[in-house]
Amino acid sequence: AQKITQTQPGMFVQEKEAVTLDCTYDTSDPSYGLFWYKQPSSGEMIFLIYQGSYDQQNATEGRYSLNFQKARKSANLVISASQLGDSAMYFCAMREGQDDYKLSFGAGTTVTVRA
Amino acid sequence: DAMVIQNPRYQVTQFGKPVTLSCSQTLNHNVMYWYQQKSSQAPKLLFHYYDKDFNNEADTPDNFQSRRPNTSFCFLDIRSPGLGDAAMYLCATSRTGQSYEQYFGPGTRLTVT
Repeated sequence: AQKITQTQPGMFVQEKEAVTLDCTYDTSDPSYGLFWYKQPSSGEMIFLIYQGSYDQQNATEGRYSLNFQKARKSANLVISASQLGDSAMYFCAMREGQDDYKLSFGAGTTVTVRA
Repeated sequence: DAMVIQNPRYQVTQFGKPVTLSCSQTLNHNVMYWYQQKSSQAPKLLFHYYDKDFNNEADTPDNFQSRRPNTSFCFLDIRSPGLGDAAMYLCATSRTGQSYEQYFGPGTRLTVT
């Protein structure tokens, strides 16, 4: 079974608007961590934001925020005030367990920001 | 700046000709990973080192090997590259005991002719 599901293969967003990227996950372990990475066409994976399963508040990093809904097992990424440089592939990933450090990646969502 | 460095950024090799990709890090992280990523797909973990301990993923072909001579360096050896091995190879590092965020290098794009 897929541990991370990203159902949106591609999205278009107008510059300066907000966009939400969906991510659902599947785990039975109470301790886990959720990550979002950005991968521009150059290929480098850039860490954006992290949410731990025990964190009480949603994570935020600048224009990125993570909408963590534990009961629904979703961890959507919200990018506010989109910029042309936000055009990239975005991956949701999860690690499971107290000491497990390997990541399971979703299939990714391609975001294209239009001027 | 502390970082993960991969050399070369682009590598062309011939079918069957061994090739080595290198990765170095200045982050002093204890875990290093090698991923293979094909176009428009998620990265696929090949193996990782936890300190000196090598951990191979079950579905990683024997054609792929790795060496970690010290904390800072890790190498990916492809013994007999096939056309299907053409991909982006990403090196990443992390430190256990914290959020386990992985820091990625810029990748090496391998072409097999």
